[in-house]
Amino acid sequence: GESVGLHLPTLSVQEGDNSIINCAYSNSASDYFIWYKQESGKGPQFIIDIRSNMDKRQGQRVTVLLNKTVKHLSLQIAATQPGDSAVYFCAEGGNRGSYIPTFGRGTSLIVHP
Amino acid sequence: ETGVTQTPRHLVMGMTNKKSLKCEQHLGHNAMYWYKQSAKKPLELMFVYSLEERVENNSVPSRFSPECPNSSHLFLHLHTLQPEDSALYLCASSQAGGGTDTQYFGPGTRLTVL
Repeated sequence: GESVGLHLPTLSVQEGDNSIINCAYSNSASDYFIWYKQESGKGPQFIIDIRSNMDKRQGQRVTVLLNKTVKHLSLQIAATQPGDSAVYFCAEGGNRGSYIPTFGRGTSLIVHP
Repeated sequence: ETGVTQTPRHLVMGMTNKKSLKCEQHLGHNAMYWYKQSAKKPLELMFVYSLEERVENNSVPSRFSPECPNSSHLFLHLHTLQPEDSALYLCASSQAGGGTDTQYFGPGTRLTVL
């Protein structure tokens, strides 16, 4: 079946380093992808999204890269800060008209001061 | 704050109890969602409402009963739950519904079934 998965369940980095969180998807027809951040005790928060007609999109300290050839998505966080510690989910928006987004299992990012 | 509120934030109930979870969105969105989040598992979509009509029921047991009286409010009625139903229940809303819509999540209700 279709799935969205994450390569690593936990990522530990030092404050100030750059972080890269990876995600694989299997539905080649997907045209929308989202990254969410979930801090302890809170619901997921939208970080950044990308549509399939793009291969890179930048936000404030975050960059999402999309490689449609290998069906791979990554989230890069520059100069990681302790406040970035959270679980990060990628989600596949699915085909247009579908009400069912597919979420990955999540990667826990731990930032050490 | 995301504009989506949920009450209560924590709930402990016995298997014979009946309780309800409430969600309210202040974003003017037309679609609302219920998700279940269990430890070490992906988010599981339970129900989707678009313009107050249920458009998706993702094979959820009948002991979970949703209600959407208007586009701003969503309820999840619970009865005769099982211990394995203990989880974080998240509500979300989006502008129009659909897989390409950004969803905004509430903080969740942490449910424990004894």
